[in-house]
Amino acid sequence: GEDVEQSLFLSVREGDSSVINCTYTDSSSTYLYWYKQEPGAGLQLLTYIFSNMDMKQDQRLTVLLNKKDKHLSLRIADTQTGDSAIYFCAEFSGGYQKVTFGIGTKLQVIP
Amino acid sequence: DTEVTQTPKHLVMGMTNKKSLKCEQHMGHRAMYWYKQKAKKPPELMFVYSYEKLSINESVPSRFSPECPNSSLLNLHLHALQPEDSALYLCASSQDDRGREKLFFGSGTQLSVL
Repeated sequence: GEDVEQSLFLSVREGDSSVINCTYTDSSSTYLYWYKQEPGAGLQLLTYIFSNMDMKQDQRLTVLLNKKDKHLSLRIADTQTGDSAIYFCAEFSGGYQKVTFGIGTKLQVIP
Repeated sequence: DTEVTQTPKHLVMGMTNKKSLKCEQHMGHRAMYWYKQKAKKPPELMFVYSYEKLSINESVPSRFSPECPNSSLLNLHLHALQPEDSALYLCASSQDDRGREKLFFGSGTQLSVL
């Protein structure tokens, strides 16, 4: 079945880079996503990558995909206090035809 | 308009009450979803509507009853809920149900069952 794993917590200083990692198991995944959730709010799609790509950059965000190892990462450059949130990795599984979310990584940015 | 609007934002109900959660989008999306999110957990899929027809029911108890009156609206009718049903209920929409397009989420309804 599909499974998405992430570390639970990451703490960084303001201005540093943050790297949030994720592993997934479904080799038929076609799309992989990063969502951000602030307290009491819904999920905001930050970026997504097709499974035939290995990198995507969007302003301060860089997504790296290692399809061989089924490893996805999100790098946030120049992390700000407003980046403090929970970040969910998610995959669209072609086999199960649904989006599956990881447990979420809580990013704490220290001023 | 790139928003998914959910009402109410907060809801407290007793176990014998009947209530409804509402969701609306005007992006022309043809797939709409209900997710349930418990504290410190990821969202879990409950239902998927595709072109106003129920396409996925993730074995959700019958005390949750979804309804899609038209392509812009999605309701979730609640009846005889249990305290363990307390959670954040998120509505989402996408261009279609193949998941290839982005999921747009509403801000959710925080439900407390007493």
